[in-house]
Amino acid sequence: DAKTTQPPSMDCAEGRAANLPCNHSTISGNEYVYWYRQIHSQGPQYIIHGLKNNETNEMASLIITEDRKSSTLILPHATLRDTAVYYCIVRRTGANNLFFGTGTRLTVIP
Amino acid sequence: DAGVTQSPTHLIKTRGQQVTLRCSPKSGHDTVSWYQQALGQGPQFIFQYYEEEERQRGNFPDRFSGHQFPNYSSELNVNALLLGDSALYLCASSQDRTGTYEQYFGPGTRLTVT
Repeated sequence: DAKTTQPPSMDCAEGRAANLPCNHSTISGNEYVYWYRQIHSQGPQYIIHGLKNNETNEMASLIITEDRKSSTLILPHATLRDTAVYYCIVRRTGANNLFFGTGTRLTVIP
Repeated sequence: DAGVTQSPTHLIKTRGQQVTLRCSPKSGHDTVSWYQQALGQGPQFIFQYYEEEERQRGNFPDRFSGHQFPNYSSELNVNALLLGDSALYLCASSQDRTGTYEQYFGPGTRLTVT
């Protein structure tokens, strides 16, 4: 599975959009980009995933660049409850497991 | 719809002892994966069970073993505990029969080895 690079920490003002970047320059054609988050002392929570098209669900939007070497997770209106560690994971089709890095610690500031 | 449940929530063991952790998958899920998360680190994959067999294993010693039951629930066993085994142990379930590979995680079991 391709390695991902994320900034260790970010701050975001409450009510503003949080844009979390992820670099995955060695991604292969059959690998998806997944995002999970982990709120303190809880298990990771699935957010969204995509292959090459932009995706949106009730939690977030995922923007993948045309060359697929990077992506951005967007939380449109961050709340204090969005404070968490966000993991960007690249996973090949049919892979059975997830490889977590150290993620980005997002702090939403009142 | 019950999510993934794990027991116990917390556990304290002594070095050299053995421990068993339990996991019940989300309703409708048939695959269970186990992860170890040390303090300040991301979760690390231990192994995955599907159809009562270990399908894939991460870089963990044989002291770590598991089992999946016909009702899809699972156990993680760790023998000869070391201080370094202190961690949050996470169980995740998914439904691989339909190709839905999103993994849903339980709250974890916090194991402390003294």
